[in-house]
Amino acid sequence: LAKTTQPISMDSYEGQEVNITCSHNNIATNDYITWYQQFPSQGPRFIIQGYKTKVTNEVASLFIPADRKSSTLSLPRVSLSDTAVYYCLVGDQGSFKTIFGAGTRLFVKA
Amino acid sequence: EPEVTQTPSHQVTQMGQEVILRCVPISNHLYFYWYRQILGQKVEFLVSFYNNEISEKSEIFDDQFSVERPDGSNFTLKIRSTKLEDSAMYFCASSQDVTNTYEQYFGPGTRLTVT
Repeated sequence: LAKTTQPISMDSYEGQEVNITCSHNNIATNDYITWYQQFPSQGPRFIIQGYKTKVTNEVASLFIPADRKSSTLSLPRVSLSDTAVYYCLVGDQGSFKTIFGAGTRLFVKA
Repeated sequence: EPEVTQTPSHQVTQMGQEVILRCVPISNHLYFYWYRQILGQKVEFLVSFYNNEISEKSEIFDDQFSVERPDGSNFTLKIRSTKLEDSAMYFCASSQDVTNTYEQYFGPGTRLTVT
């Protein structure tokens, strides 16, 4: 399983775009990049997943450069309710062992 | 929208007692997981389960732990003799198929307090 590195915490203001970068230098050919969000006292929630280039859904965008050694989760126009911990996970889609890192604690201020 | 449910939401037990945490995964999902999260720490993988057997387990999942799918809907985690350090949130999750086991859907968790 590829090791991931994310910032421990980030601050932002309402209405701003937030970009959280994850480094995964040892990503393997079959690995996908998955991001989860976790609010206090709740289970993690799947946000987005990608393999390369750009993926967008109604919640976020995921940018993955050609070398795939990093990825960036982009949250457009954050609100106070986006305050949460965001986890980057890297692994084979058929793997049965899912390892969460420490995540990035995003704090959105008014 | 279908969701994973867990019961109870909070369980208080005395050290040495057995506890069973229950989960109902999303109905058409085939892969099931248990995680725990000690207060203020990261989410830790415990075990994955498919086709009535354990697929993977972590070093945390020792002989004190067991999982079972007793019927077509429930998925349980049993801790045989609880220790103080078992106090944590326990999350159940499920995923639909083997082509994307990283897209998991988590339940709301059971807070286990061992006194």
